[in-house]
Amino acid sequence: DQQVKQNSPSLSVQEGRISILNCDYTNSMFDYFLWYKKYPAEGPTFLISISSIKDKNEDGRFTVFLNKSAKHLSLHIVPSQPGDSAVYFCAASGAGSYQLTFGKGTKLSVIP
Amino acid sequence: KAGVTQTPRYLIKTRGQQVTLSCSPISGHRSVSWYQQTPGQGLQFLFEYFSETQRNKGNFPGRFSGRQFSNSRSEMNVSTLELGDSALYLCASSPAAGKGQPQHFGDGTRLSIL
Repeated sequence: DQQVKQNSPSLSVQEGRISILNCDYTNSMFDYFLWYKKYPAEGPTFLISISSIKDKNEDGRFTVFLNKSAKHLSLHIVPSQPGDSAVYFCAASGAGSYQLTFGKGTKLSVIP
Repeated sequence: KAGVTQTPRYLIKTRGQQVTLSCSPISGHRSVSWYQQTPGQGLQFLFEYFSETQRNKGNFPGRFSGRQFSNSRSEMNVSTLELGDSALYLCASSPAAGKGQPQHFGDGTRLSIL
């Protein structure tokens, strides 16, 4: 039973355009959501997070949107750069636990 | 500030052996979590330690165990290795109890079972 789903295994975007990565979750106890970026042979790098009391959080080129009623979150990257090419993981935690439940990832390719 | 350090980076073992992986968290971080990453299952939670106590455990067999020392460094041990244990093992640390603090990952230990 996959509690966090990233339904798009891959995404290609032109440099300078917007990248939108999507994530759905099923567990209504999740109250903290994170996005990580991962390059090959490296560990995941934290990008941005959002608490369930908010519906939007911005950090530079990265914005995360949370729609609790739809149990959906998305990561927007504007403008996309070639260095953004990586695998992006959505993760969630809840009920006071540090345990992160991850999606299977979306491979983003930004084409120069 | 130094990041999370995992040793060794690569390890080759044979079936039936046991292995110990090490993780040094970011200075000041007291929570350490371990994850297993495989192509088929993705990133899966193994366990989490805080102040030398295991607080959470994922759905893995008892062959997987861990511990945390008083300086917050952590080790995980896998006994009676199986081919399916081949994976990237990732350690992550967080400052303390309480939400709103992301986990920061090391670069992992790549374990290959022959």
